[in-house]
Amino acid sequence: AQKVTQTQTSISVMEKTTVTMDCVYETQDSSYFLFWYKQTASGEIVFLIRQDSYKKENATVGHYSLNFQKPKSSIGLIITATQIEDSAVYFCAMREGGQGGRALIFGTGTTVSVSP
Amino acid sequence: AQTIHQWPVAEIKAVGSPLSLGCTIKGKSSPNLYWYWQATGGTLQQLFYSITVGQVESVVQLNLSASRPKDDQFILSTEKLLLSHSGFYLCAWSLGPTSQGTGQLYFGEGSKLTVL
Repeated sequence: AQKVTQTQTSISVMEKTTVTMDCVYETQDSSYFLFWYKQTASGEIVFLIRQDSYKKENATVGHYSLNFQKPKSSIGLIITATQIEDSAVYFCAMREGGQGGRALIFGTGTTVSVSP
Repeated sequence: AQTIHQWPVAEIKAVGSPLSLGCTIKGKSSPNLYWYWQATGGTLQQLFYSITVGQVESVVQLNLSASRPKDDQFILSTEKLLLSHSGFYLCAWSLGPTSQGTGQLYFGEGSKLTVL
């Protein structure tokens, strides 16, 4: 069965530094998609970045990048040059290929606090 | 551009009372639709999904039901609320009904439910 695990409950960093958060997943499928979402204080959930399992290159979008280590079933999120507004809860999620209407399985989230 | 709107934004209800939460998607034909539930400080738990009008699949029922009366509308309801129903309910859509998509979800603003 699918499983997504985020072991870091919370991380505190200073503004303009880099934060890294971990995510480990379990799947029996050879094709899958990995996502990171951000939930703001208002509850809004925003898509950040995606990694397709068949791609070897780490995805990068703006100041978000991924550290995809397929042999370790690991997909870390790296945020560089953090800003106060990066303070949020970050969720890792996974979808197996060919799942039809089944949606994403989410981890438990990592709360990031960015201080000035 | 696609928009997703949930209503109401927040509800305070008594145990045993009925509930109806709604979600409307505009600008996208035949999307997959999903209901997620989030306990305070918790992860996102998928409840239901629908890949077409009139068809809804249950993932975790929690004494709730869902319906899709129109292509762009998804309803979550129950006749008798429990204390355990409190939380944040999120509607989401993804490209569908094909299973070839990545499964990337786009979320509504959420509905906060407090059951007393």
